Amino acid sequence: EIVLTQSPGTLSLSPGERATLSCRASQSVSSSNLAWYQQKPGQAPRLLIYGASSRATGIPDRFSGSGSGTDFTLTISRLEPEDFAVYYCQQYGSSPKTFGQGTKLEIK
Amino acid sequence: EVQLVESGGGLVQPGRSLRLSCAASGFTFDDYAMHWVRQAPGKGLEWVSGISWNSRNIGYADSVRGRFTISRDNAKNSLFLQMNSLRAEDTALYYCARPNDYGDFNALDIWGQGTMVAVSS
Repeated sequence: EIVLTQSPGTLSLSPGERATLSCRASQSVSSSNLAWYQQKPGQAPRLLIYGASSRATGIPDRFSGSGSGTDFTLTISRLEPEDFAVYYCQQYGSSPKTFGQGTKLEIK
Repeated sequence: EVQLVESGGGLVQPGRSLRLSCAASGFTFDDYAMHWVRQAPGKGLEWVSGISWNSRNIGYADSVRGRFTISRDNAKNSLFLQMNSLRAEDTALYYCARPNDYGDFNALDIWGQGTMVAVSS
């Protein structure tokens, strides 16, 4: 099983700042089959990034993903008030298709 | 409109069984693999199980293998999760989710609102 470790656990930033979230895998993620999701309280998760760097439909271009192998990054270039939420990475290249434990992005 | 609606959750005693259902609409159900993902109260997401479009490829998380069974009925546009020998740690909101493309290795872009399962005596 591939274990995904996200850091930091909590990130405190202000609107307008840049956010950098990390996801590290215990072994290489095949074919960059890594996704990022955003979840707000009381809502289902929302797909942001798939294939490590492709934005899902309707996702603003301030969200970007990068990385390969075992190290992946989600960057939000300029935080908007609606971006404060919990973010999860998931690898779907091998079963079980594991999630990271999440990073909470909170307003400073 | 593409939609997934889960049902079948509730309060159940440890050791008992429950069957979850997910009704799909707005897309060609048998074109896609389907998945169950759960979230314990105040915790993160946990992938539970997935099934290919033709039911030939099935996978489970280690935490549920041997107790849970995923299945689908393409004629009825429905996904199921049979949960046996339930434990307190199975208490969670269970989401049904559809990938963003055909095949067995894709991210999840359509989610239901979830059905709550509580395991307690």
